[in-house]
Amino acid sequence: GAVVSQHPSRVICKSGTSVKIECRSLDFQATTMFWYRQFPKQSLMLMATSNEGSKATYEQGVEKDKFLINHASLTLSTLTVTSAHPEDSSFYICSARGDTDHNSPLHFGNGTRLTVT
Amino acid sequence: AQTVTQSQPEMSVQEAETVTLSCTYDTSENNYYLFWYKQPPSRQMILVIRQEAYKQQNATENRFSVNFQKAAKSFSLKISDSQLGDTAMYFCAFMKGRAGTASKLTFGTGTRLQVTL
Repeated sequence: GAVVSQHPSRVICKSGTSVKIECRSLDFQATTMFWYRQFPKQSLMLMATSNEGSKATYEQGVEKDKFLINHASLTLSTLTVTSAHPEDSSFYICSARGDTDHNSPLHFGNGTRLTVT
Repeated sequence: AQTVTQSQPEMSVQEAETVTLSCTYDTSENNYYLFWYKQPPSRQMILVIRQEAYKQQNATENRFSVNFQKAAKSFSLKISDSQLGDTAMYFCAFMKGRAGTASKLTFGTGTRLQVTL
């Protein structure tokens, strides 16, 4: 089945630094990937839609300059949290769906737990 | 905009018993998909079951089945013969169904299910 790999699974960084999270579709091509954020005991909130070869589409309230998304190839999207602050500590999850299977559900990465100290 | 509501923050069921998780949604779309995802303590999002809105027949996957009431915009999940491994957070999700696009998922707030001995 379709596999989405997300790396790293856990990261701890100091306040003010930047962190990059990678999301790869291992056995399929994904023109579109999605980035979600999940606070403890809460639901997944969509942050942005990552489009291969073009700019990401951000949800209302999400700072595009803080959460930089790059989707340089059909199998890789990256989310960079710039100048991270403790309030950015959260669980970030990416998802994707194969371009040839429009009716399939989204496949999720294992998530990245970001802790900003 | 679509909204998904899960009115049960927590549920408990004894092993081998049956439990039903409720979900309602609001949309003006006529073509869409509904999903139930399971998120165990590992935080991995696991697809449990999906339902296409144009299908009247309720989806079934082994011990999992749904009661899809399109007019009432209701999509409940029934878990039969509950097992300890079913303990997890369950999210109901909505996706627009436009062919050729990778539509985003809108999640409910989740129901935490605890299966007890």
